[in-house]
Amino acid sequence: ETGVTQTPRHLVMGMTNKKSLKCEQHLGHNAMYWYKQSAKKPLELMFVYSLEERVENNSVPSRFSPECPNSSHLFLHLHTLQPEDSALYLCASSSDGGRTEAFFGQGTRLTVV
Amino acid sequence: GIQVEQSPPDLILQEGANSTLRCNFSDSVNNLQWFHQNPWGQLINLFYIPSGTKQNGRLSATTVATERYSLLYISSSQTTDSGVYFCAVFLSYNTDKLIFGTGTRLQVFP
Repeated sequence: ETGVTQTPRHLVMGMTNKKSLKCEQHLGHNAMYWYKQSAKKPLELMFVYSLEERVENNSVPSRFSPECPNSSHLFLHLHTLQPEDSALYLCASSSDGGRTEAFFGQGTRLTVV
Repeated sequence: GIQVEQSPPDLILQEGANSTLRCNFSDSVNNLQWFHQNPWGQLINLFYIPSGTKQNGRLSATTVATERYSLLYISSSQTTDSGVYFCAVFLSYNTDKLIFGTGTRLQVFP
C-alpha cells in the first residue's frame, strides 16, 4: 500500500465506449500525474496537475481528458480510444517539485478491443 | 528536452551475483528516484536520492548530481530481484515534471 489507489485495476473497453480511470491519494501531496506504459516500454508522462491546475500536457490526443477536482483525486476520462491505446496507465503523486518522494498507484491495465 | 538513459538495457545474473545499474541524465535535476517494477506492473520505491549515498539491505545507491549520473548497486542478487529498474528525475527548471529513464530489465536465475 503506497497511499495512492487506482481503480479499476483492469478495464476492457470497445472503441466506441466512454470510461473513466480514478486515482486517489492520501499522502497530502499537491501534485498528481498520469503516465502511460505500453508493453515493455518506459513510462511516458501524459499529464501533470499541480495545486489542481494542469501544468503539463505532453501532446496527448484529445480522446484522453484529465480532471482534477481537488488535490486528492485525479481522473482520466477515455472516449473513442484506439487499440494502440491499450497499455498500463499509472497515477502518481508528489509535492513541491520533487522535494518529497513520488509514489505510484498499482495501475490500470487497459485493453481496447 | 532532458534525456535520461539507463545502462545496461538488459542484465542476466545467476543468484548470488552482484551488479551495478547506471542512470545518466542530460540536464540539472532537483531530485532522483530509483524504482523496481514487478511483473504485475507495480512501481516499488527503492531510493529517493538527490545526492550522496544511501543503503537499504542488499541495495545501495549513489547520485553525483554535478556529474549527472546515479548508480544502483545490487549485491547477492536473488530471484525476487528480477524485474525492471527505472530511475526518474525531477527537473530543476520545471519542478513538477518527473521524467523516467529507459529502464534496465534484470533477470536473476537460480
